[in-house]
Amino acid sequence: EAQVTQNPRYLITVTGKKLTVTCSQNMNHEYMSWYRQDPGLGLRQIYYSMNVEVTDKGDVPEGYKVSRKEKRNFPLILESPSPNQTSLYFCASSQQGPQGELFFGEGSRLTVL
Amino acid sequence: SQKIEQNSEALNIQEGKTATLTCNYTNYSPAYLQWYRQDPGRGPVFLLLIRENEKEKRKERLKVTFDTTLKQSLFHITASQPADSATYLCALGDYKLSFGAGTTVTVRA
Repeated sequence: EAQVTQNPRYLITVTGKKLTVTCSQNMNHEYMSWYRQDPGLGLRQIYYSMNVEVTDKGDVPEGYKVSRKEKRNFPLILESPSPNQTSLYFCASSQQGPQGELFFGEGSRLTVL
Repeated sequence: SQKIEQNSEALNIQEGKTATLTCNYTNYSPAYLQWYRQDPGRGPVFLLLIRENEKEKRKERLKVTFDTTLKQSLFHITASQPADSATYLCALGDYKLSFGAGTTVTVRA
């Protein structure tokens, strides 16, 4: 089954404790992206990757890092989480870049205390 | 700066009626527009894509229009059913995809 898998689905952490949200897709897509979703603000892009070893900032990259060492994986790293990073995070992938149909993961709800 | 606005109010309609959602944008010239459906606690699911040179697109009970002069897209759900209840997101793209905040639709049986 074609899917984008995120882990963890739920996480409560404390300020400053580094964490990684993993994302893996099994569709051999070249394009992958991370979004955060906050009430009233919609989905905002954090980082995206056009292919292995190619990443770029989206609209709200501050406080986040990513890496793309393999085609299927695109982890999101919060080096020193802060309460304003409490949000619902989605990973997505596409065969045709941002112009194509995006396949989203189920989301990771992160709370930073 | 670019701005994407969807119906600010939630939409409540009777089963069998047509739901019409709007997506307006400013300071933007998108090459294409997409619509997604999102259920509570789930990731968005792609519904339709329409390009700037297309006026209208249909898929089963869904119809999307794209008016680049008015800077507006309309999304219609005809013969609506309770199962259509969800939040619908519009997304505009050129070299990247930007999303609106979504409109929540509730279809009453």
